[in-house]
Amino acid sequence: QKEVEQDPGPLSVPEGAIVSLNCTYSNSAFQYFMWYRQYSRKGPELLMYTYSSGNKEDGRFTAQVDKSSKYISLFIRDSQPSDSATYLCAMSPLDSNYQLIWGAGTKLIIKP
Amino acid sequence: SQTIHQWPATLVQPVGSPLSLECTVEGTSNPNLYWYRQAAGRGLQLLFYSVGIGQISSEVPQNLSASRPQDRQFILSSKKLLLSDSGFYLCACGIITIKETQYFGPGTRLLVL
Repeated sequence: QKEVEQDPGPLSVPEGAIVSLNCTYSNSAFQYFMWYRQYSRKGPELLMYTYSSGNKEDGRFTAQVDKSSKYISLFIRDSQPSDSATYLCAMSPLDSNYQLIWGAGTKLIIKP
Repeated sequence: SQTIHQWPATLVQPVGSPLSLECTVEGTSNPNLYWYRQAAGRGLQLLFYSVGIGQISSEVPQNLSASRPQDRQFILSSKKLLLSDSGFYLCACGIITIKETQYFGPGTRLLVL
């Protein structure tokens, strides 16, 4: 079993829809959770990070962490064609700066 | 804010040839630096990380090596490339916020034929 599981997709939704992207993990020591967006043939860019449990909102993006279920989500409201990309989750235990455990990424396609 | 430069953007090399990929960072001092490889449709595999000049840690045994000759320069090398070395190579820089957050360069796409 991988430490972080992420559905590779592709996930195809119409423009304007609410998108839900998810990762599950097995290591209860993970405390720091990140979402990256990666456009084709580009490096990943950090979208959001959250520490421990709870929600964090930034514009159209909301990151949610449920540590009891070992489940994290990224919601995108009013999705746009420019949101089409691969979304990678990453997580880290509290006591390590070097260990980022990555999901494989979900490819998202927003249809105009 | 930090800027990460990587070159070249694309590289096609024959099997058995040497490799040198360079990464330089602007806008921060004494960063942690990382080399990752990403296979098509896959997540990121950490290859090397460095906490300072001359300090390199390897995460996976492989045909590659890394060096950090200057504070903001990180080099990925190979003496003889294998077909399996093909992939997308990403350099990242760690910036401390609440905890370290990694920021990525544009990547180098390597095709070994």
